[in-house]
Amino acid sequence: DAGVIQSPRHEVTEMGQEVTLRCKPISGHDYLFWYRQTMMRGLELLIYFNNNVPIDDSGMPEDRFSAKMPNASFSTLKIQPSEPRDSAVYFCASSRTSGYQETQYFGPGTRLLVL
Amino acid sequence: QQPVQSPQAVILREGEDAVINCSSSKALYSVHWYRQKHGEAPVFLMILLKGGEQKGHEKISASFNEKKQQSSLYLTASQLSYSGTYFCGQAAGNKLTFGGGTRVLVKP
Repeated sequence: DAGVIQSPRHEVTEMGQEVTLRCKPISGHDYLFWYRQTMMRGLELLIYFNNNVPIDDSGMPEDRFSAKMPNASFSTLKIQPSEPRDSAVYFCASSRTSGYQETQYFGPGTRLLVL
Repeated sequence: QQPVQSPQAVILREGEDAVINCSSSKALYSVHWYRQKHGEAPVFLMILLKGGEQKGHEKISASFNEKKQQSSLYLTASQLSYSGTYFCGQAAGNKLTFGGGTRVLVKP
């Protein structure tokens, strides 16, 4: 079975530009999570969806970040305008259901560099 | 508030043992362990549940002390493939909050 798919794998952009990261969760998984990983802050949850509905976006750093899930097989994380401090690895993960017994499966990540 | 992991880093020779600890200030219902190799995504290792149930498939064992709100991951007879950064995650509702990670380097 295909795992979580993310694109692009690498993105280099200039400050002020719009960046869109894409994710395809594992088929049949009802939960989708967006994480950001940096050396300073570690692995932090930005937002998660259940059945395409955003449930908790308390980790989204500011209004420049937005996320959507138009259908069960596709989600986007958008940064507009981007800033150098947004440079990080962004992971998408999915799980079959929720709760403390469920495993999350991570995608390969998008390495974002904002110049 | 994220769980606290210790040590932050450990260097082992192949065949040696190590213990990674994870402590939380919150009541834990489960602890999740992941390993991340350099440049790759975190990969699930195991889940430890209240009551002692353990779900996982690696040759790496772990324990969960609910009263102390602590979990420990045991790397026994370490192999080169054990190198990477280990994260514990505490589950609250539908969310996982990860610790800062423990870097493990296994040398030949």
